[in-house]
This record gives sequence, structure tokens and C-alpha cells, in this order.
Amino acid sequence: EAQVTQNPRYLITVTGKKLTVTCSQNMNHEYMSWYRQDPGLGLRQIYYSMNVEVTDKGDVPEGYKVSRKEKRNFPLILESPSPNQTSLYFCASSLGPGTASYGYTFGSGTRLTVV
Amino acid sequence: GENVEQHPSTLSVQEGDSAVIKCTYSDSASNYFPWYKQELGKRPQLIIDIRSNVGEKKDQRIAVTLNKTAKHFSLHITETQPEDSAVYFCAASQPAKTSYDKVIFGPGTSLSVIP
Repeated sequence: EAQVTQNPRYLITVTGKKLTVTCSQNMNHEYMSWYRQDPGLGLRQIYYSMNVEVTDKGDVPEGYKVSRKEKRNFPLILESPSPNQTSLYFCASSLGPGTASYGYTFGSGTRLTVV
Repeated sequence: GENVEQHPSTLSVQEGDSAVIKCTYSDSASNYFPWYKQELGKRPQLIIDIRSNVGEKKDQRIAVTLNKTAKHFSLHITETQPEDSAVYFCAASQPAKTSYDKVIFGPGTSLSVIP
């Protein structure tokens, strides 16, 4: 089944403790992206990647890191989480190359709480 | 940069009635307009999309119209059913200034279909 797999689904952590949210897709998509969803703000892009070893900032990249060492994986790293990063996070992939104009397939989401 | 507005923010309709959600975009270069449905606690899912060379597209009970001159596009759901209750997001994608198409989401519309 074609899908984007995110883990974990739920995570509660403390301020400053490094964490990684994993994302993997099995559709051979070149383009992958991370979004955060907050009430009233919709979906805001954090980082995206057009291909292996090619990443760039979205609209709200502060406090986040990503890497794209393999085509299928695109982990989101919070080096020192803060309470304002409490949010619902979605990984998404799209048929490339270099374009998101084929629609996204979203992962199931990660609800992160930073206390 | 691109800005996408979406109205209304909430919408309640009786089962069997039609629902219309409207979005406007600011950048005339945008050329791809997807719509996503997000049921409570689930991931957004692509339900229909339209490209700038098309004025209307239908898929069973849902349709999307695009007015490039006015820079707005709309989602129409006919014969609404309780399972249509969800948050709907519109988005606009513009051709890349580099090699990446940027996708901007609207803030979402919460649709409730009353049985």
C-alpha cells in the first residue's frame, strides 16, 4: 500500500530534550515536506526536500532541522524543543521532480507536546 | 509572496443541501489548486484539484471552479452527507522561482452536515 509513515503518533517531552520524528514513504517520491498544524493557522511549512541531500527552509523553520540521506526517509529533528513547538506535525510527499503540483500524500501525523 | 484566504471558516448545512467554500489567492502566477479534506483526528487527504488551464472539474458530488481573472476558486459539494463533515483546506501552488513549486494553504473551513 502506498503510504507515508510517521512515528511516533504521540509524544510528550520536556523542554530542551532533543527528539526526532521519523517519516518514510514507499512511493519513490522525490519531494518531501514537513508541516505543522495549529488551530486557526492552518498548515505551515517547516522544511522541504526536493531530492536526496537537497533541503530548504519553509515558512517556519526556526528550531527545526531535517536531513535527507535516503530518498524514502525525511526525519524532523528538534534539537532543543520549546513549549511553542507544541503542535500537530505532518510529513507529506509528492510526485516530483521538483514540483509539489501533483498533490500531497500526508502521513498520519505526530501530536507533540513540550512541557 | 502568495496569500490564500478561505471563507467561511465554519459552515453548517442540512443533509442533502449543497455546500460551497471559496478561496482567493494573491499571486497570478499560481497555477495549481488542490483541495484537501481532513476528518477529525486524521490526516489531510487530497479530494480534488484543478490546474490553471481548466475552468471547472467534477468528481461525483464534488466540483471545483476556477476564475483566474478574479483569482478565486471554489469547492462545491452537492447532496451533502454526514460523512462530508470535516475541515476542508484549499491551497495554491505557484511555479518555482528556483526549481520548486511552493504550496500555500488556506486556513481551513469546518463543515458540519446535520442529519
